[in-house]
Amino acid sequence: GAVVSQHPSWVICKSGTSVKIECRSLDFQATTMFWYRQFPKQSLMLMATSNEGSKATYEQGVEKDKFLINHASLTLSTLTVTSAHPEDSSFYICSASDGTSGPETQYFGPGTRLLVL
Amino acid sequence: AQKITQTQPGMFVQEKEAVTLDCTYDTSDQSYGLFWYKQPSSGEMIFLIYQGSYDEQNATEGRYSLNFQKARKSANLVISASQLGDSAMYFCAMREGIYGGSNFGNEKLTFGTGTRLTIIP
Repeated sequence: GAVVSQHPSWVICKSGTSVKIECRSLDFQATTMFWYRQFPKQSLMLMATSNEGSKATYEQGVEKDKFLINHASLTLSTLTVTSAHPEDSSFYICSASDGTSGPETQYFGPGTRLLVL
Repeated sequence: AQKITQTQPGMFVQEKEAVTLDCTYDTSDQSYGLFWYKQPSSGEMIFLIYQGSYDEQNATEGRYSLNFQKARKSANLVISASQLGDSAMYFCAMREGIYGGSNFGNEKLTFGTGTRLTIIP
C-alpha cells in the first residue's frame, strides 16, 4: 500500500513553454502533498506544501506565479512550471501524507526529470 | 544555521563491512522525528528508518540501526554487513512538530546534503 505515482517520469521541453507534472496517491487519500526540487548532486529542497481544496504554501524564494500548484482532490496534486527556462531543469519529487501519526507519514513519488532546452 | 548536517559527502566501504553515516541536527522543538532515506541512481526516495525524539530505544530495521544521541543531537545511521546494493545517496531528514495531532503528517521534512555511499566488492 501507500503508493504515489508521478507523471511524466521525464520531460524535455523548449524554453518558454509550460509543463504540468501530476502526483497521485493510488491507494490512500492524501490530505497533504509536498513538492520538492533536487538539482544534480544536491539535496531535496521543499518548494511548497499543498492541502486539498486550499491554496498551496510556498517556501521562501519559490515563485508562486511560476510554480503553480493545484491540489484539486484527495488523490491528485499538479505542479505546473510556467514559462520554463533552462535553469528550471531539475528533478521534481512529490510526496503525499495521509495525516496519520505513523513514522512513514510521507510517501514519495518516483520523481520527474525536467530538461528545458 | 543548517538544521541537518551530514559531514561526509562520500564514503567508500568494503562489502560486508559495517558503515556509519553521520547526521547531526539542530532544533529547539521538544517533539521531532528523524528519518533516513536511501536514494539510488533511479531517483526514488526509499524510507529506511525513523526515530522519534521521545523514543528511548534506538530504532532498528533489519540491517539498519539508528544511533540516537539526543544530548549530542546526532542520529547516525549504521548499516551492518554492507552489500553492493547499498551503494546510493543517503539523506538524513528531520520533521519538527507536535506528535499526535490530526495534522501530524503536515509537518515538512528538512533534508541534509546527503552522503554518497559506494560499496566496494
